[in-house]
Amino acid sequence: AQSVTQLGSHVSVSEGALVLLRCNYSSSVPPYLFWYVQYPNQGLQLLLKYTSAATLVKGINGFEAEFKKSETSFHLTKPSAHMSDAAEYFCAVSRGGSNYKLTFGKGTLLTVNP
Amino acid sequence: GAGVSQSPRYKVAKRGQDVALRCDPISGHVSLFWYQQALGQGPEFLTYFQNEAQLDKSGLPSDRFFAERPEGSVSTLKIQRTQQEDSAVYLCASTQTGDTHEQYFGPGTRLTVT
Repeated sequence: AQSVTQLGSHVSVSEGALVLLRCNYSSSVPPYLFWYVQYPNQGLQLLLKYTSAATLVKGINGFEAEFKKSETSFHLTKPSAHMSDAAEYFCAVSRGGSNYKLTFGKGTLLTVNP
Repeated sequence: GAGVSQSPRYKVAKRGQDVALRCDPISGHVSLFWYQQALGQGPEFLTYFQNEAQLDKSGLPSDRFFAERPEGSVSTLKIQRTQQEDSAVYLCASTQTGDTHEQYFGPGTRLTVT
């Protein structure tokens, strides 16, 4: 079975500050890991994904995440927050193979203060 | 090109009514997923199709939930005798075959059961 834990249901940062959203996973097989962003009343948009290539993954909008197997973590970071980054962020894991269903964390709401 | 579309975007049903939610995947996408997102939670897997074949329906919460994709393109999620606990956003996602693992999500249908 797979699971995802997102530490902190709500993170608040100032504009220009570092964004750090935490994600830990458990998986019985080498995982595929994803970060999605959800804006109000919209579907999920993929930010970045880890699929067993480079451990440091760069995504859209200046976000990046580092896969650390020893810590079973895949934390999302951005050096400088913008107001437009305010949204809900979801970490997800997939075991790959023929069934690519995603198991999501509960999400972290990011607010950016001016 | 066009993304995943879902209709209706909003649906209000009285308890006991049947509802049908539609998903139009990206053209050419073989795999299609349905997820249920309760308020304040991450999406949870419901069911998965590869072409017209329903390969995994382990996430359907009860036999009141039924999904189909008869021609391997458009999919319909049907909920019979709706209950208040069915209130949620229902998300559809599609993906190409192969190793991409990247699911493209629609905007969702918000179902409210009164």
